[in-house]
Amino acid sequence: GAVVSQHPSRVICKSGTSVKIECRSLDFQATTMFWYRQFPKQSLMLMATSNEGSKATYEQGVEKDKFLINHASLTLSTLTVTSAHPEDSSFYICSAIDGQGESSPLHFGNGTRLTVT
Amino acid sequence: GQNIDQPTEMTATEGAIVQINCTYQTSGFNGLFWYQQHAGEAPTFLSYNVLDGLEEKGRFSSFLSRSKGYSYLLLKELQMKDSASYLCAVRDSNYQLIWGAGTKLIIKP
Repeated sequence: GAVVSQHPSRVICKSGTSVKIECRSLDFQATTMFWYRQFPKQSLMLMATSNEGSKATYEQGVEKDKFLINHASLTLSTLTVTSAHPEDSSFYICSAIDGQGESSPLHFGNGTRLTVT
Repeated sequence: GQNIDQPTEMTATEGAIVQINCTYQTSGFNGLFWYQQHAGEAPTFLSYNVLDGLEEKGRFSSFLSRSKGYSYLLLKELQMKDSASYLCAVRDSNYQLIWGAGTKLIIKP
């Protein structure tokens, strides 16, 4: 089955620093990847849609200058949280669709738990 | 606006059957997904429904009624490892996924 690898799984950083999260599709090509954020006991919140070779599409309320997304190849998208603050502490999850069919589900990476101190 | 409703929490007994309901109001409909999410982990895909009726996959089944804007996930022969949150997601007319808040299922021995 389709595998999405996300790294790192956990990161603790100091306020004001930047953190980069990588998302790779291991056995398929993903022209589109999605970045989600999830706060405790809350639903998944789509942050942005990452398209290979073009600019990401950000959801309303998500600062594109703070959450930098790069989708340089068909198998890799990165999310950089710049100048992180404690309120950015959350569970960040990337996902991708394997296939073009309507029934193609989203496959998720294992997520990155970010703690900003 | 778009909305997906699921119960916040349910409790069931090991070996029993539980039904988790999901109702939705979305701008268009292009399929409904169920995902399982264990605490601290990412969601994993369980099922997909686009036509009315029941889809069965082993111990898990999912039902859809588009006219009623309603789906349910049925889990049989419950095991302790089924304790997790179950997320309902609907793909709207723009092929955007709208997520429910999830139902936390607690299995008791």
